[in-house]
Amino acid sequence: DAGVTQSPTHLIKTRGQHVTLRCSPISGHKSVSWYQQVLGQGPQFIFQYYEKEERGRGNFPDRFSARQFPNYSSELNVNALLLGDSALYLCASSLWTGVDQPQHFGDGTRLSIL
Amino acid sequence: QQPVQSPQAVILREGEDAVINCSSSKALYSVHWYRQKHGEAPIFLMILLKGGEQKGHDKISASFNEKKQQSSLYLTASQLSYSGTYFCGGPAGGTSYGKLTFGQGTILTVHP
Repeated sequence: DAGVTQSPTHLIKTRGQHVTLRCSPISGHKSVSWYQQVLGQGPQFIFQYYEKEERGRGNFPDRFSARQFPNYSSELNVNALLLGDSALYLCASSLWTGVDQPQHFGDGTRLSIL
Repeated sequence: QQPVQSPQAVILREGEDAVINCSSSKALYSVHWYRQKHGEAPIFLMILLKGGEQKGHDKISASFNEKKQQSSLYLTASQLSYSGTYFCGGPAGGTSYGKLTFGQGTILTVHP
């Protein structure tokens, strides 16, 4: 079975630009979460979606937004990029949102802001 | 507030044992453990639930002290493949949400 797939794998942008990151969950998984991981730190929660509804939002500015589509894939959008947005963005999927659900991570999108 | 992990780094030789600890100042409904190798995605290892239930890897054991909000991951007879950064995480939003707050990580290096 295919795992969580993310695209693109790498992206270079300049300050002020906008970026869209994409994620396809494991087949059958209805929940998708997004995390930001800065080098040397643990992943930081950004959003969780379940059945196309936002179920949780981390401490990130409104420049960050996301959505989930009917096929359960998801997009993360970041507007007005800042240098500090440079990070690895991870998508994770799970069957649903319960605390007993393992999250399965994709390989991430490495975003570099110049 | 993120969980606090200790130690920050561990160096072992193959066959040695290690314990990684995770402590939270907030009540955790469950504790999740993941391992991440450099340049790769975090891989699920184990979930510990209130009441003692565990889900996960057969060759890795862990404990969860609900009263102290502490968890420990036990790596026995370590192998080269155990090298990586270990993260613990706990749900930040109550029992119905799986959003995780992760610790800062423990770097484990296993030498031949």
